[in-house]
Amino acid sequence: GAVVSQHPSRVICKSGTSVKIECRSLDFQATTMFWYRQFPKQSLMLMATSNEGSKATYEQGVEKDKFLINHASLTLSTLTVTSAHPEDSSFYICSARVQGGLDEQFFGPGTRLTVL
Amino acid sequence: GENVEQHPSTLSVQEGDSAVIKCTYSDSASNYFPWYKQELGKRPQLIIDIRSNVGEKKDQRIAVTLNKTAKHFSLHITETQPEDSAVYFCAASKYNFNKFYFGSGTKLNVKP
Repeated sequence: GAVVSQHPSRVICKSGTSVKIECRSLDFQATTMFWYRQFPKQSLMLMATSNEGSKATYEQGVEKDKFLINHASLTLSTLTVTSAHPEDSSFYICSARVQGGLDEQFFGPGTRLTVL
Repeated sequence: GENVEQHPSTLSVQEGDSAVIKCTYSDSASNYFPWYKQELGKRPQLIIDIRSNVGEKKDQRIAVTLNKTAKHFSLHITETQPEDSAVYFCAASKYNFNKFYFGSGTKLNVKP
């Protein structure tokens, strides 16, 4: 149980375009999901907390207009990278916390974004 | 905000030896400390966690210790095996806020 999926696993796009990444909890409901960014050989940096039915809360330094987060249901959160640039190229990972569960977060497999 | 520091950044041990990874945190209100293992290109997987109401927790070859006063916690892996080779991340979190702040990671290499 507690499986999180992400789609797509890899995406290549041209500079200036927008890319949407989906994060789904497959077998549980998640009122809270989290989005992280991971550069090669570096740590996971928390970008934002996605709350079902309300606005996401962003970490300091993360541009909310650039990284749009929508959490429309208890099993789906989306991250849209708008007007992507090469510096946005990274590994994006989501995680989800089981509604009413303990503190553990379950991670998705990640999405490798390459902006040309 | 919370600041988590992790050492060492790389650790190379011989198979069968023990490995210790250390983390410190800054926010005394943090009360949940998970450890994740991440293999190359894969998702982080929880290997053990500890809450602030205990000082030590063990699961077979893996143990975690927590010193709340000093604000540091450590991961101990005994009888290491080549399949333990991966990057290990510590994290700190506060209950109900649940945001995880990760350390910088430790690349563990277990030599056969």
